Amino acid sequence: EVQLVESGGGLVQPGGSLRLSCAASGFSFSSYWMTWVRQAPGKGLEWVANIKHDGRENSYVDSVKGRFTITRDNAKNTLYLQMNSLRGDDTALYYCARAPPSGIGGWFDPWGLGTLVTVSS
Amino acid sequence: SYELTQPPSVSVSPGQTASISCSGDKLGETYVCWYQQKPGQSPVLVIYQDTKRPSGVPERFSGSSSGNTATLTISGTQAMDEADYYCQAWDSSTASFGGGTKLTVL
Repeated sequence: EVQLVESGGGLVQPGGSLRLSCAASGFSFSSYWMTWVRQAPGKGLEWVANIKHDGRENSYVDSVKGRFTITRDNAKNTLYLQMNSLRGDDTALYYCARAPPSGIGGWFDPWGLGTLVTVSS
Repeated sequence: SYELTQPPSVSVSPGQTASISCSGDKLGETYVCWYQQKPGQSPVLVIYQDTKRPSGVPERFSGSSSGNTATLTISGTQAMDEADYYCQAWDSSTASFGGGTKLTVL
């Protein structure tokens, strides 16, 4: 069974940092692009970033460029999102999701349960 | 980011057909996906590449695309289909979601 389990969320002060993790199992992690999507409380979905299967390509939504970094460790079957200079509008449930080997232009399936990030003083 | 426009809400009677639209000025150049999200749950892919249905998704879910508008159609809508639905597409190397449509089955 394909499974994605996010962790690392929590309460952080504005300007602070957090690193999210997404542990993958049940598929060949190193063959797939991966992505992060977030959802602010009561709001819609917002794509955040994605990363190629070998980690050599990535892209970000404009609002997080220069603050967030997506990486992966294929030996550990784990996806990461390093979040720096956090702001109140980064408060959201962060999901990781699998993208197809073709990557860009593809779909996200499946999704994890998410990890909640709250930025507040 | 690339803007995708969905109606905020759609209502349908049980057994009837529900249609949810998604418009964007580049949809004719890229595939559209659709996700279903029920309260307190993670999104689930219901349509990919405009018209394809993942394994396990009921046949009553279908997708189409023409020009700059994609449509998710649910035939014979059931109470269990009440959820938020999001379209998603790509513009170059970035992905965008529509604002979401709340489907109410009255």
